[in-house]
Amino acid sequence: QSALTQPASVSGSPGQSITISCTGTSSDVGRFNLVSWYQQHPGKAPKLMIYEGSKRPSGVSNRFSGSKSGNTASLTISGLQAEDEADYYCCSYAGYSTWVFGGGTKLTVL
Amino acid sequence: DVQLVESGGGLVKPGGSLRLSCAASGFTFSSHSMNWVRQAPGKGLEWVSSISSSSTDIYYADSVKGRFTISRDNAKSSLFLQMNSLRAEDTAVYYCARVAAATVDYWGQGTLVTVSS
Repeated sequence: QSALTQPASVSGSPGQSITISCTGTSSDVGRFNLVSWYQQHPGKAPKLMIYEGSKRPSGVSNRFSGSKSGNTASLTISGLQAEDEADYYCCSYAGYSTWVFGGGTKLTVL
Repeated sequence: DVQLVESGGGLVKPGGSLRLSCAASGFTFSSHSMNWVRQAPGKGLEWVSSISSSSTDIYYADSVKGRFTISRDNAKSSLFLQMNSLRAEDTAVYYCARVAAATVDYWGQGTLVTVSS
């Protein structure tokens, strides 16, 4: 399986909104409504931020939202805060108990 | 609270073996599929292997198939990864992760495996 495609980096100023895209294929992102997004700070484990495309786990800020159109999923962070600066990874279920991750996007808060 | 604690990482020579363990607590381990996911230094996440709750279904990424073996002990709430014929490209932090409804939801802190002569 090929990794999902994410931009290497995005940036935004505090208070602004940014969107990170995640492009897969009709075998993963396009086939299943099972895209998740993870936030990873340096030296830390990934943290689930969005699951099933658009659902937020308990405790995750509503500034984080997810969506999907065709083979592309997106993560939007509104009202950017300094603490949002991290790496973000998308992940899609790919069938038969396998998963595929994106290459990761480094978010810089200017 | 869900806790996943990996152990067993370390420095190993190419061609060597290592066995990783993951101790789970805070949830009914026997009800969940589990994954191993790795992250090479400075790189992205890579799914490695999955095992169903009762060990009946096991899958591997092509990059490790035939060399790695995933297993679990539900009585001890533990997950394992036996890694043989290790290569330099297997150097990574290995994470144990829980699966819930096809979502990888909780992750351990990871254990570093370094393959080098």
